Amino acid sequence: DIQMTQSPSTLSASVGDRVTITCRASQSISTWLAWYQQKPGKAPNLLIYKASSLKRGVPSRISGSGSGTEFTLTISSLQPDDFATYYCQQYNTYSSFGQGTKLEIK
Amino acid sequence: EVQLVESGGGLVQPGRSLRLSCVASGFTFDEYAMHWVRQAPGKGLERVSTVSWNSAGIDYADSVKGRFTISRDNAKNSLYLQMNSLRAEDTALYYCVKDAFGSGQSYFDYWGQGTPVTVSS
Repeated sequence: DIQMTQSPSTLSASVGDRVTITCRASQSISTWLAWYQQKPGKAPNLLIYKASSLKRGVPSRISGSGSGTEFTLTISSLQPDDFATYYCQQYNTYSSFGQGTKLEIK
Repeated sequence: EVQLVESGGGLVQPGRSLRLSCVASGFTFDEYAMHWVRQAPGKGLERVSTVSWNSAGIDYADSVKGRFTISRDNAKNSLYLQMNSLRAEDTALYYCVKDAFGSGQSYFDYWGQGTPVTVSS
């Protein structure tokens, strides 16, 4: 099974900050990686697929990059709506999720 | 508009069974793989099971293999999860999730709101 490890587990930041979340796979997954945002009491919402393709309607301040085993999610200028928990997901072999990164207000 | 509506969750004693259902609308159900994903209270996401568009491809997490059975009825636009020999660690919110493609090895583009399962005596 492919293990996904996110870092950090918690990230404290302010509105306007640039933040980066990292996701590492235990083996190469090419670019078969997605990112999801989850707010309290809500289902996860797809943000990015194929490592860097933005889902329609997702703001362009959010971007993804990487290939192989190392990936990043970047938010260029944090907005109040961005404070949430973020998960990466590999779908190279069925699928598995990272443990999540909680982005909280500093 | 894609809608996924789960039902069947509830409180059940350890060792007993429960059957979850999900009714889909707003897309051509028989063209897409479907998944069950769960989230224990305060924890992360765990894919539980996957079924391809034609039920030829089925997969389970090791944690539920041999106890849970996924199935679908394309004529009824419905997805099911039969859960047997339930354990306390199966307590979670169970989401019905649509795959972006038919095989089941892609990203998840739509999620239901979930149905809660609590396993406790």
